[in-house]
This record gives sequence, C-alpha cells and structure tokens, in this order.
Amino acid sequence: GAGVSQSPSNKVTEKGKDVELRCDPISGHTALYWYRQSLGQGLEFLIYFQGNSAPDKSGLPSDRFSAERTGGSVSTLTIQRTQQEDSAVYLCASSLAWGPAFFGQGTRLTVV
Amino acid sequence: QKEVEQNSGPLSVPEGAIASLNCTYSDRGSQSFFWYRQYSGKSPELIMFIYSNGDKEDGRFTAQLNKASQYVSLLIRDSQPSDSATYLCAVNMVGDNDMRFGAGTRLTVKP
Repeated sequence: GAGVSQSPSNKVTEKGKDVELRCDPISGHTALYWYRQSLGQGLEFLIYFQGNSAPDKSGLPSDRFSAERTGGSVSTLTIQRTQQEDSAVYLCASSLAWGPAFFGQGTRLTVV
Repeated sequence: QKEVEQNSGPLSVPEGAIASLNCTYSDRGSQSFFWYRQYSGKSPELIMFIYSNGDKEDGRFTAQLNKASQYVSLLIRDSQPSDSATYLCAVNMVGDNDMRFGAGTRLTVKP
C-alpha cells in the first residue's frame, strides 16, 4: 500500500479481555516500530523490528504485551488481560533502516 | 537522563515571526535526526530529517545539527497559525538502531 495501515481505527474492549492490533507497513520497509501515546503525552516506545534480527522489546511495559511480525511485513501487537491504564492510541511506523519513519493513523484503544 | 529532551513549552509566537524549537540527545554516536509535526488527534508527520552537521533548509523550515554539542533545532520562518501543533524531535540511537522521541514542544502561532 501507499502508506502504513493500521486496524482497527478504534477499539473498545472490556477490562480483562485480550486485543490484537494490526499494522501493515509500507511495502519494502525493513524497520517497524510500535509506540503508545496516552492523552496529552509523548510517544512511548514499545517494540522495534528490523529485518530478520531479533526484535528490541525493551519498551514493552509488562508481559501482557507481545508483538510479532510475520514474513517481515505485517505486525500484530497483542495485549492480554487488558487494564484501564492500557487505554491510549497505539501508533505503528515503518522505515528503511535508519531512514525517516512514517506513521499509520493509529488505533485508539479504550478499556472500559 | 532522558535520551531525547525537548522543552515542553508551550511556545507562543506571533504570526510572521520565527519559531525556534530545540532538542538535545544523550547518545553521542547518534546518526539520524528527525523533526515531526503532530496536530491534535492526528499521527506525527515527518517535516525534516538531517544527518550531517550544519543547516538544512526546506521552504520555511530549517533544521540545524550540532553533533559536538548534541543538539538539533528546527526554525520555522514566517510562522503561520496553521503551524500551531506539537513538534517532536526523534533520534536514531546507534547500537539500539531504533528511533526514540522527545516529549514534544507545543507551538502556538497567534494571528
């Protein structure tokens, strides 16, 4: 596709449920990033994939969070047993190696 | 010490003035530097990137990089009300090879 695509755009879930967020990066981009942005706050780094290298998971806030990237393309961020503090906008971005990253429109997650 | 630091603002300038946004970073070996603009409720969009010391100009925007002092700045000339947004500085950290963002500076351009 022409840009980074994220789905769903909005997700409302009940506390304790699992959710999956999807990111389809720009074709050919080797790097993929997930960030979280709470209301009025900056971008919080979650996880980074680069080619076939082991992902940098250093930003994942707890073991309830996990992510995978299949075939070097589409990525899924999974949050298990969601909590209210997980409510935020989850942003995905992709880039060529160390080049500029381009963002998707984000998924707004609301845990009720 | 935070990896990428920005003055959170808000920074207010009159229309037509020059807005100056600053960013410092901790990793001396960082190679790539980016400025993003984020309107309220929207995703960050890339404005400029710079890799070498000195200035890089693109229209009304100028990015300045000083690796010795570990800072990068963004100048916006002839500021317009439509420039009102949060500006995010991002740095590719050598070794980690991922992109870290500053907290952003909120800019308001008053008509």
